[in-house]
Amino acid sequence: AQSVTQPDIHITVSEGASLELRCNYSYGATPYLFWYVQSPGQGLQLLLKYFSGDTLVQGIKGFEAEFKRSQSSFNLRKPSVHWSDAAEYFCAVGVGGGADGLTFGKGTHLIIQP
Amino acid sequence: KAGVTQTPRYLIKTRGQQVTLSCSPISGHRSVSWYQQTPGQGLQFLFEYFSETQRNKGNFPGRFSGRQFSNSRSEMNVSTLELGDSALYLCASSSTVVGSVVNEQYFGPGTRLTVT
Repeated sequence: AQSVTQPDIHITVSEGASLELRCNYSYGATPYLFWYVQSPGQGLQLLLKYFSGDTLVQGIKGFEAEFKRSQSSFNLRKPSVHWSDAAEYFCAVGVGGGADGLTFGKGTHLIIQP
Repeated sequence: KAGVTQTPRYLIKTRGQQVTLSCSPISGHRSVSWYQQTPGQGLQFLFEYFSETQRNKGNFPGRFSGRQFSNSRSEMNVSTLELGDSALYLCASSSTVVGSVVNEQYFGPGTRLTVT
């Protein structure tokens, strides 16, 4: 069965600083990888996805992620964070036709310091 | 296009009661998935419906059930509520793209269920 690990439960970053959120997955075949963001009291918004091809994917709100098969990682990055980026971030893996549902990591809570 | 809508947004129920939550997918999306989100367990897959058929189900007891209608709207039902069922229940819809193995899912705002 597939699994996703987000090693950092909380991360604090100063506004304007760069950000990297870590995600490691476990799956025997080619994974389909996603990053979602959740603001308090809200549903999940898709930031970006990796299905195949270029391993560096661009998403919304200035985020990007890099798929590294050798490290089983799909880390999320942003060069300069804004106070509005404070939220919960989830990495997820999808397999087999979509009917099996997404498997999510436990999430990383991002705090932005002024 | 309107996004995924879920009703009601908030619900308070008593142990032993049953509850029905509703989800309207994005227009044209035929797949609807349900997830439970709790602080302890995180986001967990409940089940997925496509064209009125349940294609897969997560590891939840039979008290959790769902259905999908011909217009792709979906409902989930929880019978004999327990305190541990208190959670945010999220619905997600996705389109079916020919040749695509996994389709991206778009989430609704969720229904916050509190069981007392």
